Amino acid sequence: DTGVSQDPRHKITKRGQNVTFRCDPISEHNRLYWYRQTLGQGPEFLTYFQNEAQLEKSRLLSDRFSAERPKGSFSTLEIQRTEQGDSAMYLCASSSSRLYTIYFGEGSWLTVV
Amino acid sequence: GDSVTQMEGPVTLSEEACLTINCTYTATGYPSLFWYVQYPGEGLQLLLKATKADDKGSNKGFEATYRKETTSFHLEKGSVQVSDSAVYFCALSDQTGANNLFFGTGTRLTVIP
Repeated sequence: DTGVSQDPRHKITKRGQNVTFRCDPISEHNRLYWYRQTLGQGPEFLTYFQNEAQLEKSRLLSDRFSAERPKGSFSTLEIQRTEQGDSAMYLCASSSSRLYTIYFGEGSWLTVV
Repeated sequence: GDSVTQMEGPVTLSEEACLTINCTYTATGYPSLFWYVQYPGEGLQLLLKATKADDKGSNKGFEATYRKETTSFHLEKGSVQVSDSAVYFCALSDQTGANNLFFGTGTRLTVIP
């Protein structure tokens, strides 16, 4: 069990550029989540996959955000036309459908300048 | 909807002092309750959990008891160490659908030697 891994850990981008984050969940976990955390706040749910199906999306996930999990393993979160308000840590997490515990990766910090 | 209210910080304690961080929740069903810890610059680590009323979660000297009658899940430790300095998040999972986590705003703990 290598844990949830995320890449890159840090990204600085200019406003208007597109960025993509990758998440590799714990290997036997079929559920994958994306959360966003801003400074001084708790994480907020963005979206959730069970296997390759995206089953739930938060209202926080604007049209500029898209997440995929094409083969039910790794996932990507793309942000198009980034804005300064997108600056945050993007956390990926995974769990199995048998257990209720969600395990988090170390996060991907995004700074939009 | 489901929500978590967490004691506001920051909290500063001397080493070996007792710690209590209050957490209360609002939920329509029978949630599972969690405490996560976040060290500087890192993602969230599960500290402990409780899945039903009167369960006590414990780990690394920390404890929390699921109190349905007071809708609370307060985090306690009898003797804190400098290495416990971190941000602590209380969270609940509604155990339906995505089992999504709802987080409190976090409490920053600083332990001084």
